[in-house]
This record gives sequence, C-alpha cells and structure tokens, in this order.
Amino acid sequence: DIVMTQSPDSLAVSLGERATINCKSSQSVLYSSNNRNYLAWYQQKPGQPPKLLISWASTRESGVPDRFSGSGSGTDFTLTISSLQAEDVAVYYCHQYYTNPPSFTFGGGTKVEIK
Amino acid sequence: QLQLQESGPGLVRPSETLSLTCTVSGGSISSSSHYWGWIRQPPGKGLEWIGSFYYSGSTYYNPSLRSRVTISVDTSNNEFSLKLSSVTAADTAFYYCARHREFQLVRCAFDLWGRGTLVTVSS
Repeated sequence: DIVMTQSPDSLAVSLGERATINCKSSQSVLYSSNNRNYLAWYQQKPGQPPKLLISWASTRESGVPDRFSGSGSGTDFTLTISSLQAEDVAVYYCHQYYTNPPSFTFGGGTKVEIK
Repeated sequence: QLQLQESGPGLVRPSETLSLTCTVSGGSISSSSHYWGWIRQPPGKGLEWIGSFYYSGSTYYNPSLRSRVTISVDTSNNEFSLKLSSVTAADTAFYYCARHREFQLVRCAFDLWGRGTLVTVSS
C-alpha cells in the first residue's frame, strides 16, 4: 500500500493568514503516461462527510473558493489556504488513487483551527 | 440533484455480519457511468477505503478487508450494498457511500458522499 503522511497533525492560524498542509506519499503518485498526479484533498467539518476540494493535485472543484489551492508532484504535495476564514475550520485529508489495481489510501488528517 | 443515503442497523454483535445499503436518488446508478464506493471512518479517526464497483461488474476491495467484504448492486432499486462479515469492535465506524468523480474511471476522487451512518459493534 502507498502510505500517505500528512503534516502537521494540527495547526492554528490567525484569520486572514495563510495555512499550509503537507502530504507525502511513500511512492510517487505521478502517472507518467498522462503526467497526472493521482491525488485529492478533502475538507471535513464536524458531523459532516468529507467534501472534495481538489483533485489531480491542483484542480479545484466547482464552487470551492479560490483561496484553496493544491500544488506538488510525485511524492510531495501541499494544500494552501491563502487567507483563512472562520468557515475553513475543519480537518483536511489527502487521498491517493494511483494504485492499480485500486487500493486507495488517505492521509491521517490535519486539523485546522483559528489562533 | 444526485443524493446518496446510507441505511442499516446501528448496532451489530461481534462475529456477525454488518449489512448496509446506499440508496441513490436524483440519478441512476446504471446510466451514470460512474464507479461507486464505500469508505469508513472510526469515530475521531481517519478515512479507510473499503471497496468500489461499476454497475456492470468490476469490483475492487481493500486488500486488508477483502476476505470479509462483499459489495453488490441492485439496479432495479437504484441501490448498492455492503456486507462485512465476522465483525469486531475494530469495525465500529461511520460508514459512507460515495461516487467516483470521473466517467468510467475508478482511479479518481470521490465527489459525492452520503451523510454517513454510525455502526457500533458491541454485545
């Protein structure tokens, strides 16, 4: 299995400041034949299911505010919230869907709070 | 608008079989050309993929659960099911059904999720 390691486990950021979450995979999730990174980011608020924010490492879902951005390639990825809002308090997960046949795995989650 | 809803017993005895159903409304499982899946989350912990399927037959399971898991589909009722046998307390979790984002592609993100249902394994 590909192990997904997120850091930090939690972070507290002031409103309007930048939040950066890292995700590292134990092997590359970049598929050379199409040059796509098989990685997604989700946001989960208390009592709710996860919500897809970004797929293919950097493609934002429709309706997701542009303060959320994804970057990285291969084994190292970052989710950035450029200007933290109160409604962004949540746990964020990365997810690899590279493995073939499928054996999808998620990172352990990063809890984002307001400082 | 497509919606998913999980249903089933909230309490299962150890060693028995957990059975859940995901009902899809606002769209058809068989005509949507999407893969569908199950994911679980122990309370306060992270996410674990259980398995995914396509209505016409392809099914994939998490290797760590494969010996105990069966996913099946009932296109006439527009629902799909999860069975997990020989459960223990470690199977206590919120169980989510979800849709894969891309047409006819299993190796992609999950874009639509049910609200989840808590299943507790206890005697």
